[in-house]
Amino acid sequence: DTGVSQNPRHKITKRGQNVTFRCDPISEHNRLYWYRQTLGQGPEFLTYFQNEAQLEKSRLLSDRFSAERPKGSFSTLEIQRTEQGDSAMYLCASSSIYEQYFGPGTRLTVT
Amino acid sequence: GENVEQHPSTLSVQEGDSAVIKCTYSDSASNYFPWYKQELGKRPQLIIDIRSNVGEKKDQRIAVTLNKTAKHFSLHITETQPEDSAVYFCAASPRGSTLGRLYFGRGTQLTVWP
Repeated sequence: DTGVSQNPRHKITKRGQNVTFRCDPISEHNRLYWYRQTLGQGPEFLTYFQNEAQLEKSRLLSDRFSAERPKGSFSTLEIQRTEQGDSAMYLCASSSIYEQYFGPGTRLTVT
Repeated sequence: GENVEQHPSTLSVQEGDSAVIKCTYSDSASNYFPWYKQELGKRPQLIIDIRSNVGEKKDQRIAVTLNKTAKHFSLHITETQPEDSAVYFCAASPRGSTLGRLYFGRGTQLTVWP
């Protein structure tokens, strides 16, 4: 499968715990995006990488959130001290120029 | 920032009929407008897109039109089939390929009845 992949697909955690998600983009894509989607809403932009450089961060991305793309390939999104409001689907997308292709997402449930 | 409004929120049509979903955007600098289809529990799937130098684009039963002056764009699905049932999202990118961040509408739940 040469599409965008994400792991894990589901994560249940207790409030206050840290979680980390991984995204593997389409191999030739140099741009990688993280979005968050809650029920009944469209995806909301979180952050964007071009190669290993993080070029933009949404104001939605509080200090508890950090993302990396150390070698310009896969990316990780970490949430520290999770809160119930962090429960959502976390989507990763990659692109070369315009078209963004999404991964299957990681569904986070904070109890 | 950009604000994308999408209507209607739900749409029910009979198989074989046409469906139209409309979106408006606020930032005149937006120049890339994709449409995504999302089935329940699945990833958003890019189905068609249009750039601001084009007024209309068609791909089989799906077409998108763009009116830059009015800042609105629409998705047209003809000869609808039950497998077209899904949530459809429009999106806009304020600076095209320079940054690529997408702003999404809230989605339209399309139901096609056999």
